[in-house]
Amino acid sequence: NAGVTQTPKFRVLKTGQSMTLLCAQDMNHEYMYWYRQDPGMGLRLIHYSVGEGTTAKGEVPDGYNVSRLKKQNFLLGLESAAPSQTSVYFCASRVSSYNEQFFGPGTRLTVL
Amino acid sequence: AQRVTQPEKLLSVFKGAPVELKCNYSYSGSPELFWYVQYSRQRLQLLLRHISRESIKGFTADLNKGETSFHLKKPFAQEEDSAMYYCALRGGGADGLTFGKGTHLIIQP
Repeated sequence: NAGVTQTPKFRVLKTGQSMTLLCAQDMNHEYMYWYRQDPGMGLRLIHYSVGEGTTAKGEVPDGYNVSRLKKQNFLLGLESAAPSQTSVYFCASRVSSYNEQFFGPGTRLTVL
Repeated sequence: AQRVTQPEKLLSVFKGAPVELKCNYSYSGSPELFWYVQYSRQRLQLLLRHISRESIKGFTADLNKGETSFHLKKPFAQEEDSAMYYCALRGGGADGLTFGKGTHLIIQP
């Protein structure tokens, strides 16, 4: 099992550009999450999904959209990137509400 | 609103010394707390969860509901313990985690 993988690992964008971050898990987990990690801020929840075809907003959803068309994939989109979105993005998944979250390796995004 | 507070951004101790990383929480229900560790340029890994009451890599943490704390302790620090440590509380959207800001632990030789 690869666990939770994220694509790409690094990306540099210019302000206003768009991109999609892909999170994939091969553990048949129902729940998936996107967090952002900023220095001195810890991790904050952006969006989450409790199953295929469902998504919901977390603590800091503005400027992001998500989709979960397939159970194993959770996509995070930036329609018009801003420098404030420079961050490390982590995806996580878990099988049910009462189990451990497994994290991906992260995507380091810089918006110039 | 729920909150997790880690008062120390940076904690530096010498190898062999005891370590205590502080974590306080605010939560209206019955809390479920975790410690995650992130070694340099690696993904977050679960270190401890309070309901399992186990010791991992020599670390322990006890939930104190009276003081709303979940401090992480190790009696003798090792150099490989150097990492970022995050305290987290279950209860965000669809039970996502609310994280503290993290403590950077440095173990000096």
